[in-house]
Amino acid sequence: EVQLLESGGGLVQPGGSLRLSCAASGFIFSSYAMTWVRQAPGKGLEWVSVIGGSGGSTYYADSVKGRFTISRDTSKHTVYLQMNSLRAEDTATYYCAKGGGLTPSNWFDSWGQGTLVTVSS
Amino acid sequence: DIQMTQSPSSVSASVGDRVTITCRASQDISIWLAWYQQKPGIAPKLLITSASSLQTGVPSRFSGSGSATDFTLTINSLQPEDFATYYCQQANSVPLTFGGGTKVEIK
Repeated sequence: EVQLLESGGGLVQPGGSLRLSCAASGFIFSSYAMTWVRQAPGKGLEWVSVIGGSGGSTYYADSVKGRFTISRDTSKHTVYLQMNSLRAEDTATYYCAKGGGLTPSNWFDSWGQGTLVTVSS
Repeated sequence: DIQMTQSPSSVSASVGDRVTITCRASQDISIWLAWYQQKPGIAPKLLITSASSLQTGVPSRFSGSGSATDFTLTINSLQPEDFATYYCQQANSVPLTFGGGTKVEIK
C-alpha cells in the first residue's frame, strides 16, 4: 500500500523559510516522479513543483520559481520542498503526491494527507 | 503554459441525476488529462487518467471522454457519496495545471 506522510508545516513570518518533507513507502521510490500541490483555504488546487524519478529533472510553477526548491533522497524515500522568502499568498495546505510514472509530466495517483503552511506576522 | 477551464463552477443535482462537467484546454493535449474528486478536508482522489481510463475501484457510473482540447466527466445516477468538488488536470507538459474545479452540490 502506498503511503505518503508529509511533515514540516507550521506558522512562519513573511520572508521566513520552511522545509516540508514527504516520507514515502509502498512503492519503488526511484521509479516515480513526485510532486507538491497546494491548496489555499477555500480555493482550488495549484501545482507547485515536480521532480522526476531520477531526481535530475525539476520544474516549478512561476509563482514559486526562485524561492522554492524540490529535492529527493532515494536512500530515505523522502521528497522535500525547501520554501524560502515566504509570502502571505503561500499560505495553503501542501500535498505531496506520487506521479503515475517516471517522467515529470504526469498525473498523481496517491496523495498524502497534507500539511498546513501559514505565513503571517 | 496550458490553461484548463472547467465549467460549470458549481452544479446542484439530486441523487439519481446525471451530471456532466466539461474541461477545456488552451491547446491540444491529446488524451493527457486526469480527473480528481475532492471532499472537504481530504486529499484529492484520482478518478480517471488518459481522459477515459477509470482507476481501479472507481465506480462505473463515472466516465470520461474527449481528446485534444475538449473533455467531459460524466457521473451517471449520482450517489450521496459523489457530492464533492471535481478537478481536471493536464499532464501533457510542465507546468502542470488544474482546472478551477466544479462543486457538485445537493439540490
